[in-house]
Amino acid sequence: QVQLQESGPGLVKPSETLSLTCSVSSGSISGYYCTWIRQPAGKGLEWIGRIYTSGTTNYNPSLKSRVTMSVDTSKNQFSLKLSSVTAADTAVYYCARELLPYYFDLWGRGTQVTVSS
Amino acid sequence: QSVLTQPPSVSAAPGQKVTISCSGSNSNIGNNYVSWYQQLPGTAPKLLIYDNDKRPSGIPDRFSGSKSGTSATLGITGLQTGDEADYYCGAWDSSLSAGVFGPGTKVTVL
Repeated sequence: QVQLQESGPGLVKPSETLSLTCSVSSGSISGYYCTWIRQPAGKGLEWIGRIYTSGTTNYNPSLKSRVTMSVDTSKNQFSLKLSSVTAADTAVYYCARELLPYYFDLWGRGTQVTVSS
Repeated sequence: QSVLTQPPSVSAAPGQKVTISCSGSNSNIGNNYVSWYQQLPGTAPKLLIYDNDKRPSGIPDRFSGSKSGTSATLGITGLQTGDEADYYCGAWDSSLSAGVFGPGTKVTVL
């Protein structure tokens, strides 16, 4: 059974860059999108963006200027970078496997990222 | 401000039925498929319905989905205490070229 797991620093300083990795185990990452989704405490889900294993990306227009996603097929990993973070970026960040046409059948457990000095 | 609209909460007694609406526009629900997710407290969301009305393996048929025009509906019959959770609809928005979610609906079993 394919599993996804997010990892990265739990605390990031304001104005710095948030970097997370999604590691895929027990299966290949080829042939589907990896999507990043975040959820501030007590709030709803926000779609950050997605990357296909070919490297094709789509980003949320409201975050596009600060988001970069990448894929390393040799390591079975996807990565998210969000620059110039503020307290508003504090949230649980999930990676999920996206199948077409747009649904998420596998999710990581999520990782809490807090932006604070 | 979510692109998709859901009621903040719905409730019913055990064994009863609830429906959750998800309203959008032609750029999302009207011309794309809808999916639904259940999020139990402290856990990651779980896929309940995809392609408007399909259930993944392991999801009981108490959960159903439908779509008409620019709105979609999730139905839960035979309500159980374990169904208390937040429920989210999602769809691709062709105008934004981005995914969108509804704000979520909290289901309470009375």
